[in-house]
Amino acid sequence: GQQLNQSPQSMFIQEGEDVSMNCTSSSIFNTWLWYKQDPGEGPVLLIALYKAGELTSNGRLTAQFGITRKDSFLNISASIPSDVGIYFCAGSSGTYKYIFGTGTRLKVLA
Amino acid sequence: DAEITQSPRHKITETGRQVTLACHQTWNHNNMFWYRQDLGHGLRLIHYSYGVQDTNKGEVSDGYSVSRSNTEDLPLTLESAASSQTSVYFCASSDTLYGYTFGSGTRLTVV
Repeated sequence: GQQLNQSPQSMFIQEGEDVSMNCTSSSIFNTWLWYKQDPGEGPVLLIALYKAGELTSNGRLTAQFGITRKDSFLNISASIPSDVGIYFCAGSSGTYKYIFGTGTRLKVLA
Repeated sequence: DAEITQSPRHKITETGRQVTLACHQTWNHNNMFWYRQDLGHGLRLIHYSYGVQDTNKGEVSDGYSVSRSNTEDLPLTLESAASSQTSVYFCASSDTLYGYTFGSGTRLTVV
C-alpha cells in the first residue's frame, strides 16, 4: 500500500537546537497533517495544512505545504526535552482517509 | 468531555484464537478508523467506517473484520490470531476532513 516517506527516520539533537524534518509522496495531496506521538499514547494533531504553499505555526512549530503538493515540512525551533517523541506526517487527497508516514523519532539531549 | 477509549490496553493471546479489540467514542463522529503501528511501517490502515452499517477495507485488512452497529463503537476482530498480528492497534475518529482524534492504543501480543 501507499505510504509517505519521512526523513530523517531518527535524530538526536541538543536542547536549544532547531529541528527540520520532511515528508514526500508520489501522489498529490489536498491536506497535510502533522502529528506527535508520546511514548505509550496515541498520536496528537499538531498542525493542519489545507493549500499549497501554506505556512502555519503552532508555538515553536512551523509546517509548510509544499508547492508541488507532494511534500510537506515541519520545523521545531529551540527544542526542549518534552519535544521527544515520534512525529508523523499524514496526507489526504480529499477523502476522510489519511495515509501516514513512517515517522521521525526525535530524541533531545539535555 | 468527549473522548475515544480503547480496551484492553494490553492483551496477550494464543495463535489461532479469535480476539476482539474495542473502540468507543463519545464525539458523535461518523467516521472511525483502525490502524496498526509497527516499527519501520508507521501507521497502516486496517478498516474504516463512514457511518452505521458502513465498513471498508484498508491496505492491511486480511485477517481482520469490523462491524458498525451504532455511531459510538467500531470493534476490531482478529478471526484467527497470527504472530504477524502482534502490533500496537490504534482507533481514531473524525467528522471533518481535517484530522483524526486517536485513542491511546492496544498493545496485542500473539504467542
